Amino acid sequence: AQSVTQLGSHVSVSEGALVLLRCNYSSSVPPYLFWYVQYPNQGLQLLLKYTSAATLVKGINDFEAEFKKSETSFHLTKPSAHMSDAAEYFCAVSALKAAGNKLTFGGGTRVLVKP
Amino acid sequence: EAGVTQFPSHSVIEKGQTVTLRCDPISGHDNLYWYRRVMGKEIKFLLHFVKESKQDESGMPNNRFLAERTGGTYSTLKVQPAELEDSGVYFCASSQRFSGAGELFFGEGSRLTVL
Repeated sequence: AQSVTQLGSHVSVSEGALVLLRCNYSSSVPPYLFWYVQYPNQGLQLLLKYTSAATLVKGINDFEAEFKKSETSFHLTKPSAHMSDAAEYFCAVSALKAAGNKLTFGGGTRVLVKP
Repeated sequence: EAGVTQFPSHSVIEKGQTVTLRCDPISGHDNLYWYRRVMGKEIKFLLHFVKESKQDESGMPNNRFLAERTGGTYSTLKVQPAELEDSGVYFCASSQRFSGAGELFFGEGSRLTVL
């Protein structure tokens, strides 16, 4: 069985400040890990993914995440928050199947960016 | 290229009534998934189609939920009869076959409110 825990359902950051969203996972097999973002009135959009290559993964909009096996973590960071980063962020782990993947999501973290 | 589209965007029904949600995946995507987010909780997997076949329906809550994908194109999710606890946002996602850790493309969701 797989599970994902996101610490903090709400995070408030100032514009220009570091964004740090925490994600810890549990998986009995080597995981594939994802961060998705949902902007208001939109569907979920892939930010980045870890697929057992480089442990530091770069995504869109200057986001990046580091896979740390020893800590079972996949925290998401962005050096400088922008107002447009206000959204809800979801960490997910996949259970691979032959014909696709099935995601297990964390509870989500809503980010508020203050001017 | 059109993304994943879902209809209706919002449905309000009374307990005991029937609702049918529709999802049109990205053209050519064999994998189609349904997920649900109940308010305040995490996004949870409901089921997975590969073309017209149900690959995994382990997340379906009970037999009041019926999903179909006739012809392997669009999919419907029917709830009959609806209960209060069925309220939430139902997301559809699609991906290419054998996508492994590939990206799932999500629709904007159908919000269901059961009164």
